[in-house]
Order: sequence, then structure tokens, then C-alpha cells
Amino acid sequence: DTGVSQDPRHKITKRGQNVTFRCDPISEHNRLYWYRQTLGQGPEFLTYFQNEAQLEKSRLLSDRFSAERPKGSFSTLEIQRTEQGDSAMYLCAITSDVGELFFGEGSRLTVL
Amino acid sequence: GQQLNQSPQSMFIQEGEDVSMNCTSSSIFNTWLWYKQDPGEGPVLLIALYKAGELTSNGRLTAQFGITRKDSFLNISASIPSDVGIYFCAGPTSLNYGGSQGNLIFGKGTKLSVKP
Repeated sequence: DTGVSQDPRHKITKRGQNVTFRCDPISEHNRLYWYRQTLGQGPEFLTYFQNEAQLEKSRLLSDRFSAERPKGSFSTLEIQRTEQGDSAMYLCAITSDVGELFFGEGSRLTVL
Repeated sequence: GQQLNQSPQSMFIQEGEDVSMNCTSSSIFNTWLWYKQDPGEGPVLLIALYKAGELTSNGRLTAQFGITRKDSFLNISASIPSDVGIYFCAGPTSLNYGGSQGNLIFGKGTKLSVKP
């Protein structure tokens, strides 16, 4: 148990629909990360929060993606007007004091 | 840009065999992390390395931080069926030093399967 809970674990949607994923760290963590992992690849960095502030965003995060962390605890990742290329595992992670990244179980998105 | 190359891409293991895999980069890294991922799950951190030349063990797993700081190795001794999965190496991107710490670049993984 890494202390990061993600919901839903699996989401199937039709192209053009909006989807939202939620990440809940079990205990307080200043830093929270979102990664995306497509089939046959390693995870790729999407964005990072320090408390409620979104401090870094990858070029992978198109305008259709938005992430929030309103109270500095849980975070949401929304994808609007989903495309088939958005099909991937979306991973949330927290860091230890020395920068080790600990991932949640992931939310798998399938866009039909 | 920075890339991590993992070798081999896949390998088959027989129970009891020792397994070796490596990760190389054209850039210098100051941290190497090794993860294992089971199907449908998030990657799980196995070993973290912080110093060139460092050799660290976690049970049957041993990892080394290469002296050139451009490579790392992971060895699994006396493999068992539950070692099957995908192993990823990772390190902080060059944009990350002094920054968010958790902005990592990952290799494409080495997939371990059971020999038929």
C-alpha cells in the first residue's frame, strides 16, 4: 500500500465524452504528481502540484486536460472531449522527503 | 532530449535462475530508481540509488549506480514466479534538479516472463 488511492480503477467511455479521475493521498503530502502510461511505454510526467498550486505542466497536457488540487489534499484530472489517443493508464503519485516517487494503482481509461 | 534505454526489452526466466538487466543514458543522472509493475497496477518502487558506484540490495534484488553516472544495473537472484512483470528504471529529468524532485523520466521497461 503506497498510501495513494485512485478512482475509478477503470473507465470506458465513448469518444467525445468528458471523464474525471480522482487521486486521494492517505496522509498529507505537499507534492502530488500525475503521470500517463500508454501501452508498452514507461510512465510520462503530466503535471505536478505543490499543495494547491500547479507548478509544472508537461507538453503532453493539452488544452483538453485540466488538473486541480483545491485544498491541497485530493486531486482531480479531467479530460474533455476524449479522443482514442487518450486511452492510457493515468497514475497519481506522491514523493518521499528524498524524492522517491510512490504511485497509486492507476486509473485505466479506454476510449471507444 | 533525455532518454533511458533499457536492455533487454524482454526475457524469459526459469525458476531459480539469476536475472540481469540494465539501463543506460547519454546524460548523467544523480539518482536512479528501479520499479516493478504488475499488469493493471501502478509501478512499485524496488530500489533507489543516490551515489555513483553505490550497490544496494533489497532481498534478492541488487542494483548498482554506474560509476559514469550514465547507467544502472538490476540483478535478481534465484528468480521465483512472482518476479514476473515489467521492470522500469527512472531518474530525474535535467529540468528537475532543485525543482519538483518527482518529475522523472522512465525507460520503456524490461518484461520478465516465465519460460514455457
